Amino acid sequence: DAMVIQNPRYQVTQFGKPVTLSCSQTLNHNVMYWYQQKSSQAPKLLFHYYDKDFNNEADTPDNFQSRRPNTSFCFLDIRSPGLGDAAMYLCATSRDLLTYSSYNEQFFGPGTRLTVL
Amino acid sequence: DAKTTQPPSMDCAEGRAANLPCNHSTISGNEYVYWYRQIHSQGPQYIIHGLKNNETNEMASLIITEDRKSSTLILPHATLRDTAVYYCIALVQIQGAQKLVFGQGTRLTINP
Repeated sequence: DAMVIQNPRYQVTQFGKPVTLSCSQTLNHNVMYWYQQKSSQAPKLLFHYYDKDFNNEADTPDNFQSRRPNTSFCFLDIRSPGLGDAAMYLCATSRDLLTYSSYNEQFFGPGTRLTVL
Repeated sequence: DAKTTQPPSMDCAEGRAANLPCNHSTISGNEYVYWYRQIHSQGPQYIIHGLKNNETNEMASLIITEDRKSSTLILPHATLRDTAVYYCIALVQIQGAQKLVFGQGTRLTINP
């Protein structure tokens, strides 16, 4: 019954070594989101895809990129991870609010915990 | 910045009703109030949302004041599994997508 799947659950990388986190969904939702959650803090939206349209938050560092090759998959690329990028990365999906205005829950995956050495 | 403020922590006895307050005095008339919770080391989980009227589902009830400046999430019979951080969020719609701006939330501890 898994709906939003994130792999791997734990990722260790070295300072400056590019890393990619993966998210897939079985819900066929057309909106996908990436959040960053640092220790003892609330999740913070990095960017989202509305279908193939990429929407970056203004304060998301250029070091973070994303790809969505199809409806089911979305990737988070961190080009040169720094120690400050260690966090839980959460992927979420939702239906299109313009079409389903009365049912607009976001479904979150379990997250990938990134450690930077 | 988050448009909601919540107490940082609360305690509740198992089996009692847990009432979690939220202030959102600056939200606009078309912004929904959403509640999510996050159990330790898991992704956030949707609980309930509302605009003006009180809402109830199988998990909780949401009471929104008439002036929409505050709301209360009610877990009617709290269990130990309800221990989590509860986030009250004013939803911002961006075309067809929704932006959840999380505040710091309330850490609810259910005590046996």
